[in-house]
Amino acid sequence: NAGVTQTPKFQVLKTGQSMTLQCAQDMNHEYMSWYRQDPGMGLRLIHYSVGAGITDQGEVPNGYNVSRSTTEDFPLRLLSAAPSQTSVYFCASSSGTSGGVFEQYFGPGTRLTVT
Amino acid sequence: AQSVTQLDSQVPVFEEAPVELRCNYSSSVSVYLFWYVQYPNQGLQLLLKYLSGSTLVESINGFEAEFNKSQTSFHLRKPSVHISDTAEYFCAVRPYSSASKIIFGSGTRLSIRP
Repeated sequence: NAGVTQTPKFQVLKTGQSMTLQCAQDMNHEYMSWYRQDPGMGLRLIHYSVGAGITDQGEVPNGYNVSRSTTEDFPLRLLSAAPSQTSVYFCASSSGTSGGVFEQYFGPGTRLTVT
Repeated sequence: AQSVTQLDSQVPVFEEAPVELRCNYSSSVSVYLFWYVQYPNQGLQLLLKYLSGSTLVESINGFEAEFNKSQTSFHLRKPSVHISDTAEYFCAVRPYSSASKIIFGSGTRLSIRP
């Protein structure tokens, strides 16, 4: 059981480039989320999904797209990278059942630098 | 809307000393409360949670937190810290009505001095 996996671990982009951050979970969790972590600001929710085919915006969605075609995968797309998107990105998942919905499992993170 | 305030960005303590990490929240609806821990270069892990019932909750590694509804606080305490507790700690809230939206505080970096 790998839990939540993220690739790549590190990425450097030039302004204007696009890329996709990958996230996968093997726990059959319904809920998946993307956060960005910036110094002194905690984690901020970018987008989330409550199941395959269903996504919604979080607190800071601008400049990012998501899709959820399968239960396992929840990729995050940067459409045109900007220096303000330099951050550490975390993917998380949680179960939709009443007992499991309270705990989010986090991936190890992707450190993105935009120059 | 909800917000979470962690009053201290950094807390240095000596090994075996007690520690308290403060967390206050604001919400117009009922919320569940959490503490997460992030060890260096890792993702976040759930440390403990308050859902209902006893206002004092404990983790397996000696941390405890007390929910105080009147003061809207959920402070984290440990009577004697160890070097291995060095990490960043995040307080978080989640509205009863939303399973997906968790609001995090800005974090408190706990550094333990030998």
